[in-house]
Amino acid sequence: DVKVTQSSRYLVKRTGEKVFLECVQDMDHENMFWYRQDPGLGLRLIYFSYDVKMKEKGDIPEGYSVSREKKERFSLILESASTNQTSMYLCASSLYRGGSGNTIYFGEGSWLTVV
Amino acid sequence: GNSVTQMEGPVTLSEEAFLTINCTYTATGYPSLFWYVQYPGEGLQLLLKATKADDKGSNKGFEATYRKETTSFHLEKGSVQVSDSAVYFCALSDHRRGAQKLVFGQGTRLTINP
Repeated sequence: DVKVTQSSRYLVKRTGEKVFLECVQDMDHENMFWYRQDPGLGLRLIYFSYDVKMKEKGDIPEGYSVSREKKERFSLILESASTNQTSMYLCASSLYRGGSGNTIYFGEGSWLTVV
Repeated sequence: GNSVTQMEGPVTLSEEAFLTINCTYTATGYPSLFWYVQYPGEGLQLLLKATKADDKGSNKGFEATYRKETTSFHLEKGSVQVSDSAVYFCALSDHRRGAQKLVFGQGTRLTINP
């Protein structure tokens, strides 16, 4: 089975702190994604990466950055956490760059509260 | 841009009832369409998908047919169970800048009462 593992399920951070959310996938997938999930808004794409050291902005990249130094690991960074970044963060991965029917696999999510 | 609209929830049904969750989309080209399910405390799991017009995706008793003429992908199940209680997300594939991504609807929370 494909496994996407997010290192922290629940975090509480203070405003202004630098926050790292880590994600690892074990299936040699090329593509990795970070989404945030908010009630009534569904999932919105923050950043994605289709190769090591490659990254592309999604729909809501402001206030976030990412790092992909190894193929299996994709980190989301909140440079200076703010209360409006309190949310559920979901990491995902998929195998191919081409086509449109590829399954995207999700981790269990990280609940971040910024106080 | 591409977008997905789902019927608003929450939806509450009794066990063995018929379920429909509406999903319509706006897209350029011919995207693939997906239904994902999120059980309490978990991440999203793929429920079913369809990659071209008139395809029917099915899994665990759920079905959805890709209707290009009505730009819809409604989720149906003939007889729901308590274990189907979850949040359901409709999504379409969006292939831009090097990788296929998903654009999601807002999600529909489904509660099944015994």
